Amino acid sequence: QKEVEQNSGPLSVPEGAIASLNCTYSDRGSQSFFWYRQYSGKSPELIMSIYSNGDKEDGRFTAQLNKASQYVSLLIRDSQPSDSATYLCAVINAGGTSYGKLTFGQGTILTVHP
Amino acid sequence: GAVVSQHPSRVICKSGTSVKIECRSLDFQATTMFWYRQFPKQSLMLMATSNEGSKATYEQGVEKDKFLINHASLTLSTLTVTSAHPEDSSFYICSVTGADSPLHFGNGTRLTVT
Repeated sequence: QKEVEQNSGPLSVPEGAIASLNCTYSDRGSQSFFWYRQYSGKSPELIMSIYSNGDKEDGRFTAQLNKASQYVSLLIRDSQPSDSATYLCAVINAGGTSYGKLTFGQGTILTVHP
Repeated sequence: GAVVSQHPSRVICKSGTSVKIECRSLDFQATTMFWYRQFPKQSLMLMATSNEGSKATYEQGVEKDKFLINHASLTLSTLTVTSAHPEDSSFYICSVTGADSPLHFGNGTRLTVT
């Protein structure tokens, strides 16, 4: 079982719709969760971080965390073509001694079509 | 502005040669930097943790004698790919942990070994 799992997609949504990206993780003790966006040929950029159960909203993005279900998601409202990218879910495992030692999922390719 | 500067952005070298990649933390002193590698259509995999003034910590399966890491100052870490081979062709990305935030990534180095 992979430590962090994402549906690789591709996920295709029309412009203006809500895109829903999902991620599950295996380490029940994980405390920190992140969503990164990566355009083709570029480095990942941080979109959201979430540490406690519930929702966290930032502009058009909402991260949702359910530790009991070991599930974290990212919602993108009013999707735009510029949102088309690969979205990476990342987790810091409970045993991690370093804040920077992230475990990444394989990424979900999102395509927003006009 | 950029938090992490990585150089070069792209390098092509012949098999058997060595390549050095530099990673600089611009905004703050970083006692720890991280080196990731990403093969096409795959997610990021942590290669090693670079520790200022001490030896790097390598992840399982990463050859420390092949991927030399030097972290001589609080703002600079270098990764040298020694005796590069075509299978080392990949996207190498360094990252830095902020004081209160997770990883900031450099722009990455696309290495092609011919």
